Amino acid sequence: QPVLTQSPSASASLGASVKLTCTLSSGHSTFAIAWHQQQPDRGPRYLMKLNSDGSHVKGDGIPDRFSGSSSGAERFLTISSLQSEDEADYYCQTWGTGIWVFGGGTKLTVL
Amino acid sequence: EVQLLESGGGLVQPGGSLRLSCAASGFSFSIYAMSWVRQAPGKALEWVSAFTANPVTKYYTDSVKGRFTISRDNSKSTLYLEMDSLRADDTAIYYCVRDPWGAHFDYWGQGTPVTVSS
Repeated sequence: QPVLTQSPSASASLGASVKLTCTLSSGHSTFAIAWHQQQPDRGPRYLMKLNSDGSHVKGDGIPDRFSGSSSGAERFLTISSLQSEDEADYYCQTWGTGIWVFGGGTKLTVL
Repeated sequence: EVQLLESGGGLVQPGGSLRLSCAASGFSFSIYAMSWVRQAPGKALEWVSAFTANPVTKYYTDSVKGRFTISRDNSKSTLYLEMDSLRADDTAIYYCVRDPWGAHFDYWGQGTPVTVSS
């Protein structure tokens, strides 16, 4: 079954860009993932589904500042022109045979 | 507009039961896989259970097998989670999620809190 690994924390300055990483476990490098954002004290929100070739399907109303890319077993979420409301937890998620899996999440701090 | 509205959460004693509901609207509920995801206080998201549409199959995470039962009523566009033998570590906010690909979630409800405590 796939395991998703995320760094626990990241930080970047207001107006800058940040690239978050989600790494798929060995043998699962072709799997698609989904990125979800959870702002403080709010429920999660779907950002995009990201395929192994870097193509992605965004959720409704997700700004162009959010983009995805892939390289091998790594799936990236890039947020450009960081805004204060981007400070949130970011989770990647995928599927195995009969189970659905989340990464541990990355807490993004906007400085 | 897709909407998922959970209800049924609350405070229950260890060993007790609760039934969560998720009323869906804005899409053809019957053709979508649906899941329940929970989040314990200060913890990461955890998938709990799924009900796929094609084929019709139910799945559970190991920690709830034999205690939780997922079901759906397509005529009412409603997803359910029957939770029995509740334990303190079931305390969490429970979210209803839509799964158009049978693998990845694209819409979330606002969540309903469940607290298991004496």
